[in-house]
Amino acid sequence: AQKVTQAQTEISVVEKEDVTLDCVYETRDTTYYLFWYKQPPSGELVFLIRRNSFDEQNEISGRYSWNFQKSTSSFNFTITASQVVDSAVYFCALSEGGMKTSYDKVIFGPGTSLSVIP
Amino acid sequence: EAEVAQSPRYKITEKSQAVAFWCDPISGHATLYWYRQILGQGPELLVQFQDESVVDDSQLPKDRFSAERLKGVDSTLKIQPAELGDSAMYLCASSLGGPGPYGYTFGSGTRLTVV
Repeated sequence: AQKVTQAQTEISVVEKEDVTLDCVYETRDTTYYLFWYKQPPSGELVFLIRRNSFDEQNEISGRYSWNFQKSTSSFNFTITASQVVDSAVYFCALSEGGMKTSYDKVIFGPGTSLSVIP
Repeated sequence: EAEVAQSPRYKITEKSQAVAFWCDPISGHATLYWYRQILGQGPELLVQFQDESVVDDSQLPKDRFSAERLKGVDSTLKIQPAELGDSAMYLCASSLGGPGPYGYTFGSGTRLTVV
C-alpha cells in the first residue's frame, strides 16, 4: 500500500532563514511519481514539482530545491532565504503505476504548515 | 491558462439538508477526481472517473454521497443528508490520463460548512 509521511506538523522560521520540509513515502511499485503542492491560506492547491521514480537528480527552481533519495524513500523540499509569502501548508504526494494505467490516483501526506515570521 | 472550474466557492447548509457541488474539468481531460480535505489534514480521494465511468469510489460514503459524470465532461458530487462531520473543502481535479505522466490540475474547491 502507498503511504506518505510528513513528520513535521508545523514549522516556524524567521524570514531569510532556510527551511527543509521532510517527506518519506512507501510504495511497492518501481514506477511512481512524487509531487509537492503548496496550499496558501486562500485554499487552492498549487502544483510545485513532479518527479518520476527513475529520475533521482536533484532539482532547483529559484529559491526552491528538492532532494530525492530512493535509498531512504525520501523527497525533501528546501526553501532558501524564506519569505513571508512562503507561509502556507505544503503537501508531499505520491502516485503509483506510472504509465501502466490511467487509473492512478494521488495520495497526499498530512501536510506541513510553514510560518515565516518577518 | 486552462482551469478546473468549481462552484459554489462556499456553501453553508443545515444538517440533514441536501447539498451539491459542481466541477467542470479542463477540456479534453478524461480523468476526474473528487477529493475531500478536512481542516488540518491532507486531501483524501473520494471518487475517480475515467470518462463517464467510476473507476474508484472505495472511499466514498455511499449511504449519503453520490457522484456522477453523465457525459464524461462535467461532474456533480451530492451529499444527502449532510452531517456536521461533512464540513470540509471539496476539491476537484482533472488529468489527461494518470496524474503521474500527464499532470494533475486542481480547482479552487468548495468549502462546505454544515451547521
